[in-house]
Parts: sequence; structure tokens; C-alpha cells
Amino acid sequence: AQSVTQLDSHVSVSEGTPVLLRCNYSSSYSPSLFWYVQHPNKGLQLLLKYTSAATLVKGINGFEAEFKKSETSFHLTKPSAHMSDAAEYFCVVSDLTGGGNKLTFGTGTQLKVEL
Amino acid sequence: NAGVTQTPKFQVLKTGQSMTLQCAQDMNHEYMSWYRQDPGMGLRLIHYSVGAGITDQGEVPNGYNVSRSTTEDFPLRLLSAAPSQTSVYFCASSYPPTSGRGHNEQFFGPGTRLTVL
Repeated sequence: AQSVTQLDSHVSVSEGTPVLLRCNYSSSYSPSLFWYVQHPNKGLQLLLKYTSAATLVKGINGFEAEFKKSETSFHLTKPSAHMSDAAEYFCVVSDLTGGGNKLTFGTGTQLKVEL
Repeated sequence: NAGVTQTPKFQVLKTGQSMTLQCAQDMNHEYMSWYRQDPGMGLRLIHYSVGAGITDQGEVPNGYNVSRSTTEDFPLRLLSAAPSQTSVYFCASSYPPTSGRGHNEQFFGPGTRLTVL
């Protein structure tokens, strides 16, 4: 069985400061890991994904995440927050157990960016 | 391409009514899924399909039916609506997993906000 834990339900940063959104996962097999972003009243958009290639993954809008197997973590970072980054972020794990394309979502981290 | 489209955007039902949420994609994706999003719970998988004629249950399938007669369409039916089904529903589609590269990105529709009174 697979699971994902987002360690913070809310994160607040000042514009221009670094962003760190934490995610730990559990998976029986080599997982695929994703970060999705959801702006208010919108659908979800893919930020980045890890699928067993390079452990440091670069995504859109300056975000990146590092896959650390020993720590079972996939934290999302950005060097400098922008007001437009305010949104909800979901860490997602998927493995091929049982076939299909089943994703398991974390409960989300709400990012607030203040002036 | 329109991507993934969902109708309606908003719906209010009374307890016991039935309805169908529509989902269509024009990207020729084999995989399609339905999720519900509730506050503090992330997205939970209701049903999914790996191709026309093939469907399977997800994490929270009770009270919902699906069918997949074409690659493009994947409707979700609520048989007898209950207040517990008040939620935002998202449809998603993707290509199958790629050998050696794992799962592919899922593309999400804009969602349907359902209220059951």
C-alpha cells in the first residue's frame, strides 16, 4: 500500500523568501512522485514529477524537489516566493501495484505569501 | 485541444435524486479517473478506467457508478444522492505508465461543485 504525508497543513512566508513544503511517502515499490498545485477555484496543475531518473527534479515557476530514498522524502522548494505562488500544493505518490494509474494524494499544504 | 472538460460546473441536488457528471477528453488518453475533494482530505479516487470497456473501483466507490463506452467519455453517476456526497468532483486523464519512466502526468478538468441538500 502507498501513502503520503504532508507535514504542514499551512505554510506562511514573506515574498522573496525561500519556500519549503515537506512531504514524506510510503510505497512498496519504486514510486513515481508528483507535486501538483491548485489555485483557488481551479483544477490541479502539475508542478513537477519524479520517475526514477535524476533525484533533483526541476519544475515550472522555479520550483524544484529532491527525492531522498533513505529519508522517504520529496520536499518541494523554491528560492524566492512570489505572491502568485499562494495556492494549495499536493504531494502525490503512485506505484504500479495492481495496475492502473492510481494516485494517492496528500492532504495538501496551503501556502500563504505575505508582502 | 480543449483538454479535459466537465459539466456541469455547479449542481444542487435533493437527497435521493440521481444525476450524471459528465467528463470528456480530446487527448486520446487511455486512462481516466474520478476524484472527490473534501476539505483537509486531499483528493480521493472514486473510480478509474484503463481503457474503453474497463473500469475499476478506487478508494471511495460506494454510491457511484461509472462506465467507459468510448475513449473520450467517462461519466460518473450518482445513484441516490446523499448529503455525504457534497463535494468537488474532478475528472482526470493520462497516458498509461511508460516503461522505465513510471507514471505520466494526469490532466485535470476544472471540477464540478456538487451540493446535496
